[in-house]
Amino acid sequence: QVQLQESGPGLVKPSQTLSLTCTVSGGSISTGGYFWSWIRQLPGKGLEWIGYISYSGSTSYNPSLRSRVTISLDMSKNQFSLKLTTVTDADTGLYYCARDPYAAFDMWGQGTMVTVSS
Amino acid sequence: EIVLTQSPATQSVPPGEGVTLSCRASQSVSTNLAWYQHKVGQAPRLLVYGAITRATGVPARFRGSVSGPPARFSGSESGTEFTLTISSLQSEDSAVYFCLQYNDWPRTFGQGSQLEIK
Repeated sequence: QVQLQESGPGLVKPSQTLSLTCTVSGGSISTGGYFWSWIRQLPGKGLEWIGYISYSGSTSYNPSLRSRVTISLDMSKNQFSLKLTTVTDADTGLYYCARDPYAAFDMWGQGTMVTVSS
Repeated sequence: EIVLTQSPATQSVPPGEGVTLSCRASQSVSTNLAWYQHKVGQAPRLLVYGAITRATGVPARFRGSVSGPPARFSGSESGTEFTLTISSLQSEDSAVYFCLQYNDWPRTFGQGSQLEIK
């Protein structure tokens, strides 16, 4: 059973970079056949897809965040990571990682709360 | 991007009754629509994909037999209107239900329907 677990600082200062990692267990990221995505939920709002990375390292980002987002892969650790630069309090929210079998997201992490505050 | 509008925003239903949740797409998504159940502190759980197909891993009590009657959770679609019907509601069905379109990038989500069983 594949499981995903987000980790990273719960508090980030404004204008700094938000960095999160998703650790995948029970399966290998390098197997192929999936996109590995980051999704977030801002307070009082619906979910927002941030972007994905494939096992080959190709990426795609939401146009609304493209200028600030980088998603990378560490196959040796079976992890993928999110970096979101120049954060403001509008980036405060619950961040999820998820697996996408080129269709609906079929596996999600439990989410990690990130607060942007000085 | 494709906008998904869900209704109702909240609903309270007694145990044993049924409910229909709606998700309307701003343009065609074919049948590339999924439904999720999300409880606080847990990973979202895929219920239905392809608009009408129950996901594997859904407890057996939610799945109908190959030729049997519909299971408690069922999806349907009519053009750009999608519905999730839950029959014989139980207390553990209390959750937020949201839809996802995976027909186009960026992936987009409905804002969710909060279902309370009481």
